[in-house]
Amino acid sequence: EVQLVESGGGLVQPGGSLRLSCSASGFTIPNFWIHWVRQAPGKGLVWVSYINGDGSNRNYADSVKGRFIVSRDDAKNTVYLQMNSLRVEDTGIYYCGRDQHYSMDVWGQGTTVTVSS
Amino acid sequence: QSALTQPPSASGSPGQSVAISCTGTSSDVGTYNYVSWYQHHPDKAPKLIIYEVTKRPSGVPDRFSGSKSGNTASLTVSGLQAEDEADYYCCSYGGNSNWVFGGGTKLTVL
Repeated sequence: EVQLVESGGGLVQPGGSLRLSCSASGFTIPNFWIHWVRQAPGKGLVWVSYINGDGSNRNYADSVKGRFIVSRDDAKNTVYLQMNSLRVEDTGIYYCGRDQHYSMDVWGQGTTVTVSS
Repeated sequence: QSALTQPPSASGSPGQSVAISCTGTSSDVGTYNYVSWYQHHPDKAPKLIIYEVTKRPSGVPDRFSGSKSGNTASLTVSGLQAEDEADYYCCSYGGNSNWVFGGGTKLTVL
């Protein structure tokens, strides 16, 4: 079964860091681009970041540029989102999604990040 | 990138059709045929229902259809069913490895 599973969320103080993981099964990550999308409480989906198949190209939403870093470990079939200098407004559910045709055809169930003092 | 504009809510009775609009700019929706739509039920993963403006992934009922004119894309749900009640989001590629979502539309089946 093709599946993505996010992990690594939790409670962190403003200014702190977290690393989220997106583990794939049923397909090999090197063949696909992977996105991160988040949803703040009561709000809509917002695109956060993407990394291409070989890791040579990655991009970020302006709101996280310079603070978040996306990377991949093909041996572990996993993509990571390193989140630094976290702000209260970074609170939400973080989803990873597999890219097909510039859309996201497989999604994980999400991991919750809470930034609060 | 500014969020695409969707109506916050839409509704229809079972069996009816409802259309949800998604307005972007000439930098995203107007230029790229990479508009996708997602159905999102609370506490579940979003589900892709339309990609490349009009295409349906395998397993998505043909009651769901997509279209685009200029800077505005639309999702039409025909023959509304109770299980269609969910939040719907459009998303467009915006060039230079950027994607942008709409604010979401809550669809209510009356």
